[in-house]
Amino acid sequence: DIQMTQSPSSLSASVGDRVTITCRASQSINTYLNWYQQKPGKAPKLLIYAASSLQSGVPSRFSGSGSGTDFTLTINSLQPEDFATYYCQQSYSTPITFGQGTRLETK
Amino acid sequence: QLQLQESGPGLVKPSETLSLTCTVSGASISSNIYYWGWIRQPPGEGLEWIGSIFYSGTTYYSPSLKSRVTISLDTSKNHFSLKLSSVTAADTAIYYCARLTEDSISSRWDYWGQGTLVTVPS
Repeated sequence: DIQMTQSPSSLSASVGDRVTITCRASQSINTYLNWYQQKPGKAPKLLIYAASSLQSGVPSRFSGSGSGTDFTLTINSLQPEDFATYYCQQSYSTPITFGQGTRLETK
Repeated sequence: QLQLQESGPGLVKPSETLSLTCTVSGASISSNIYYWGWIRQPPGEGLEWIGSIFYSGTTYYSPSLKSRVTISLDTSKNHFSLKLSSVTAADTAIYYCARLTEDSISSRWDYWGQGTLVTVPS
């Protein structure tokens, strides 16, 4: 199985900040990497697919980059609605695996 | 607008079989473009893929659950189902159904149901 490791596990930030979350795969997954946002009591929401493609309807302050084993999710100019938990997920091979999540909290 | 809705018992006794259905509206599960699947999340924990199914009936299961899982399609009702046998308290989780879109560059879960909590008492 491909292990996905996110860092940090939690992060405190303020509205207007730029934040970066990192995801590392245990082996190369090319760009088969997706990012999701989950708010309490809600289902995950797809933000970024194929490492850097923005899902339709997602604000442009979200961006993704990386390939191989190292990936980043960047949120520019953090908004109040962005405080949530973020997960990366690899779709390179089954079993599909997710990172453990990064909880983004208000400072 | 595509919508997915999970349904099924919220409480399942240990050793019994968990059965959930995901009803899809706004799209046909017979489409040869999409996969359909199940993902679960124990309370306060991360996401775990359970399995996926294609319109042809081809299934893919998590190795850790494969011996206990069955995912099936009912195209006449436009829904798909999950059965997980011999449940224990470790199977307590929110169960999500979702659509998997696959193309040349990606495979991603782009539509999700709201999730349903299934509790297995210890």
